[in-house]
Amino acid sequence: QVHLQESGPGLVKPSETLSLTCTVSGGSITSSYWSWIRQPPGKGLECIGYIYHSGITNYNPSLKSRVTVSLDTSKKQFSLRLTSVTAADTAVYYCARDFGRDWGQGTLVTVSS
Amino acid sequence: EIVLTQSPGTLSLSPGERATLSCRATESVTNDYLAWYQQKPGQAPRLLIYAASSRATGIPVRFSGSGSGTDFTLTISRLEPEDFAVYYCQQYGSPPQTFGQGTKVEIK
Repeated sequence: QVHLQESGPGLVKPSETLSLTCTVSGGSITSSYWSWIRQPPGKGLECIGYIYHSGITNYNPSLKSRVTVSLDTSKKQFSLRLTSVTAADTAVYYCARDFGRDWGQGTLVTVSS
Repeated sequence: EIVLTQSPGTLSLSPGERATLSCRATESVTNDYLAWYQQKPGQAPRLLIYAASSRATGIPVRFSGSGSGTDFTLTISRLEPEDFAVYYCQQYGSPPQTFGQGTKVEIK
């Protein structure tokens, strides 16, 4: 069973950059693609983007101008950067394997001054 | 982007009853790459069904998925107390991957 764990700041100021890392254990990071998904409080799920082990990425068009997902296979980690955040980016951020076969526990990121 | 609409929004049932949840797509889902998840408060979603009808590892047989193209169904044959939760469908056949808005299954 693959285990995923998100890490990063829980509070980000408006207009700044949100950065999160997901550490993968219990499986190979080269055998799947790796996703970021978010859920605003009390709302539904939104796919942010994902990255293949080849480095090819795919982003949600609604966030594409602000999102970067990267992969570090040597550390078995993948990361999310979301620039110019606003209160609308406040959400629980999940990392996941493939489309959602396995999920991290999620981390709440609040955008507030 | 493919929009998924789940119905009903809320389903009020008693333990032991059958639950039927619907997910309808605005266009055909490529390869029927449609997944179903269960989410309980404060927890990450849990994959139940993928590729429309394949049960994920460890998922009880009372959960089944069916459908193809634009219409999909999740059926819970007999509700157990632990099944009361929110259920989401997701299409992952065409980027961007999208989710339905969720169906809450509550105790009647």
